[in-house]
Amino acid sequence: GENVEQHPSTLSVQEGDSAVIKCTYSDSASNYFPWYKQELGKRPQLIIDIRSNVGEKKDQRIAVTLNKTAKHFSLHITETQPEDSAVYFCAAPYYNDYKLSFGAGTTVTVRA
Amino acid sequence: DTGVSQNPRHKITKRGQNVTFRCDPISEHNRLYWYRQTLGQGPEFLTYFQNEAQLEKSRLLSDRFSAERPKGSFSTLEIQRTEQGDSAMYLCASSPPAGGSYEQYFGPGTRLTVT
Repeated sequence: GENVEQHPSTLSVQEGDSAVIKCTYSDSASNYFPWYKQELGKRPQLIIDIRSNVGEKKDQRIAVTLNKTAKHFSLHITETQPEDSAVYFCAAPYYNDYKLSFGAGTTVTVRA
Repeated sequence: DTGVSQNPRHKITKRGQNVTFRCDPISEHNRLYWYRQTLGQGPEFLTYFQNEAQLEKSRLLSDRFSAERPKGSFSTLEIQRTEQGDSAMYLCASSPPAGGSYEQYFGPGTRLTVT
């Protein structure tokens, strides 16, 4: 099945700084790459996604970049705020199917 | 609330008992997924439905697990003869009809504790 690796596992940033999380995937046929944010005790929430036909997508302070050749994609959060503190998961489909394989997660802490 | 809902939110059971969880997807979403999440890990795929048809089951899903989606609406996940290793958060997600739509929207989960 699809193997998704996510780094780092923890990330502490000063409020206002940027945070970057990277994921690699194994299946070159994968064409959809979502990012989820999960606050403590809450459901994973889809915050941004990217399809394989584009290299970058932005939504306010968050952006995702995709490098299909290298099979990696990254989440960028700019001007971090305390409410950005959460666990972030990347994911990719298994063999271009609909079910998702998730990374192990990155715990982001924004220091005030 | 028009999002995915799951019941119960918490379940504590003794080893060997059977438990059943329910998931109500977002209206008109034809695909429904079950995932399991343990502490410090990302969700792991268990099974999924397109309408009422169960299309795939993960190797993680032993014979003690069964899922149904009668009439293509809500879904149930049953675990028979629970074991302590079954303790986890069970998440349900749903997706809109195909046509290139991969987005999955998660419910709040059912946290199972097997004592």
